[in-house]
Amino acid sequence: DQQVKQNSPSLSVQEGRISILNCDYTNSMFDYFLWYKKYPAEGPTFLISISSIKDKNEDGRFTVFLNKSAKHLSLHIVPSQPGDSAVYFCAASANTDKLIFGTGTRLQVFP
Amino acid sequence: SQTIHQWPATLVQPVGSPLSLECTVEGTSNPNLYWYRQAAGRGLQLLFYSVGIGQISSEVPQNLSASRPQDRQFILSSKKLLLSDSGFYLCAWSAGRAYNEQFFGPGTRLTVL
Repeated sequence: DQQVKQNSPSLSVQEGRISILNCDYTNSMFDYFLWYKKYPAEGPTFLISISSIKDKNEDGRFTVFLNKSAKHLSLHIVPSQPGDSAVYFCAASANTDKLIFGTGTRLQVFP
Repeated sequence: SQTIHQWPATLVQPVGSPLSLECTVEGTSNPNLYWYRQAAGRGLQLLFYSVGIGQISSEVPQNLSASRPQDRQFILSSKKLLLSDSGFYLCAWSAGRAYNEQFFGPGTRLTVL
């Protein structure tokens, strides 16, 4: 049972435009959410996180939105840059030190 | 600052051969340690998880085992590799509390032929 789902395996966006990556979850006990970015043949790097007590967290070009009623979160990247091309994973935790990861969305930013 | 090392970076092994992947963390003490696998076209699957020396939790039944002989050392092993063990293996650490990010190593690409 996939508790964290990223239904779009890939996304293509023009440089300078907004990239929106989506993530849905099924476990209502999840209360902490993270986004990771992964380049090929490298380990994922942490991007941004959000606690369930918030509905938005912003860090530079990256903003994460959380809609608890819909069990949905999204990562907005604006403006998108070619260096943002990577696979993005969302992850969730239920007050534990274990994370449940989604299957990832491959973002390609073209000039 | 904390760093995490994994080796080897790539490995090609025949079916039925043994496996040993090593992960070490520097700059922190008593971390939680994790082994993940990313199979082709799939997400990150948690394989093992350790909160301290000698303490290993297995998340999925499989052909692999893990050990933590020292506080900052985590080893992934197999006695006999299967074709299905191929994948990208990632070690990660966290500060061992809820709501903490995990930090990943560079990974090992394992190909079983």
